[in-house]
Amino acid sequence: DAGVIQSPRHEVTEMGQEVTLRCKPISGHNSLFWYRQTMMRGLELLIYFNNNVPIDDSGMPEDRFSAKMPNASFSTLKIQPSEPRDSAVYFCASSFDYGRFTEAFFGQGTRLTVV
Amino acid sequence: DAKTTQPTSMDCAEGRAANLPCNHSTISGNEYVYWYRQIHSQGPQYIIHGLKNNETNEMASLIITEDRKSSTLILPHATLRDTAVYYCIVLRNAGGTSYGKLTFGQGTILTVHP
Repeated sequence: DAGVIQSPRHEVTEMGQEVTLRCKPISGHNSLFWYRQTMMRGLELLIYFNNNVPIDDSGMPEDRFSAKMPNASFSTLKIQPSEPRDSAVYFCASSFDYGRFTEAFFGQGTRLTVV
Repeated sequence: DAKTTQPTSMDCAEGRAANLPCNHSTISGNEYVYWYRQIHSQGPQYIIHGLKNNETNEMASLIITEDRKSSTLILPHATLRDTAVYYCIVLRNAGGTSYGKLTFGQGTILTVHP
């Protein structure tokens, strides 16, 4: 397996524009996570899906952020409208949770810059 | 999930063992200790986890004290490529909304020098 695949790797956009980040989890994994990393706040969990269903979205900063997982092999994180403070590295991770152990595999991240 | 405390930074000489401590004094009986690391510009990487017994794999060893209030991650022969931020995370595996939900603190910046 190629691991968790995120696209794009880098994104530069203007304030007010819509941004869509994409994630392909590892085949067979049933949990997916979106994280955001900044120097000030470190790694923050934004949302957690299990079996394509959002289980915990308490980390989503505000209504401008939305995430979907239409099927087991694809997820998107959308920011609309984007703001400069959204600039960060966004990581997607997936795992196979079977009740005892969680090893999450992370993608390489998308570096978002909003100007 | 229990809170963890780690030193902000540590140094280690290449080829020597790196011992990274973590305090988790409020850990519950059904909570596991996980270690992840993040090399610069990459996503975090799983290292090892344990409940109460010491664990070893190809990357590292995990020593958990008998009272489970602290643990130490040991990299037996550190290399320059082990320079990274190391995160100690306590996580309940028994189901519920914290199930699989990794919450990262600030971690320990380990610098391995020649």
